[in-house]
Amino acid sequence: DAGVTQSPTHLIKTRGQQVTLRCSPKSGHDTVSWYQQALGQGPQFIFQYYEEEERQRGNFPDRFSGHQFPNYSSELNVNALLLGDSALYLCASSLREGASYNSPLHFGNGTRLTVT
Amino acid sequence: AQSVTQPDIHITVSEGASLELRCNYSYGATPYLFWYVQSPGQGLQLLLKYFSGDTLVQGIKGFEAEFKRSQSSFNLRKPSVHWSDAAEYFCAVGAGGFKTIFGAGTRLFVKA
Repeated sequence: DAGVTQSPTHLIKTRGQQVTLRCSPKSGHDTVSWYQQALGQGPQFIFQYYEEEERQRGNFPDRFSGHQFPNYSSELNVNALLLGDSALYLCASSLREGASYNSPLHFGNGTRLTVT
Repeated sequence: AQSVTQPDIHITVSEGASLELRCNYSYGATPYLFWYVQSPGQGLQLLLKYFSGDTLVQGIKGFEAEFKRSQSSFNLRKPSVHWSDAAEYFCAVGAGGFKTIFGAGTRLFVKA
């Protein structure tokens, strides 16, 4: 049973560029959430996708956008990269059961993004 | 606003000693509470969760946590720490829908 997989594992970009990160959810899961984890901090919620639509969004600018595909996989896009976007980006999948937390988050190992 | 505070940035315990990691939350309604563990270079793994009922919840790897509404706390405990428990521990609260708010984490060091 494959868990959450993310690609790439590491990425180096230059300020102003655009980046796309990818996530495949755990088998059987239909909901994908993205988190940003800066060094020494806890994960910060970016947004969540379910049924190919953004359902919830955290306090992140419009430079951060996403997509969910019919096979439940997801992409996170960040435009006009800033130095402060350097972080570990975590994807988490879960199974939506109403609006409850009965289905816990399963995290991937993340993509380490460095912006120079 | 919902928030989670983990007062200890890092803690060092001797192998075999007991452990308690502190967590305080701020949330207006009945909280959904979680503890996650993160090993270096890895994603987060759920240790345990509290939704309702018994305020003492058991998790994986011998961990337990106690929900105390009067103190807005959800402290994590383990009676005997193993060297493999060295990691970063995050307390989190469900903040509506599927949004989860995490604390800043507590790094656990285990000395021989």
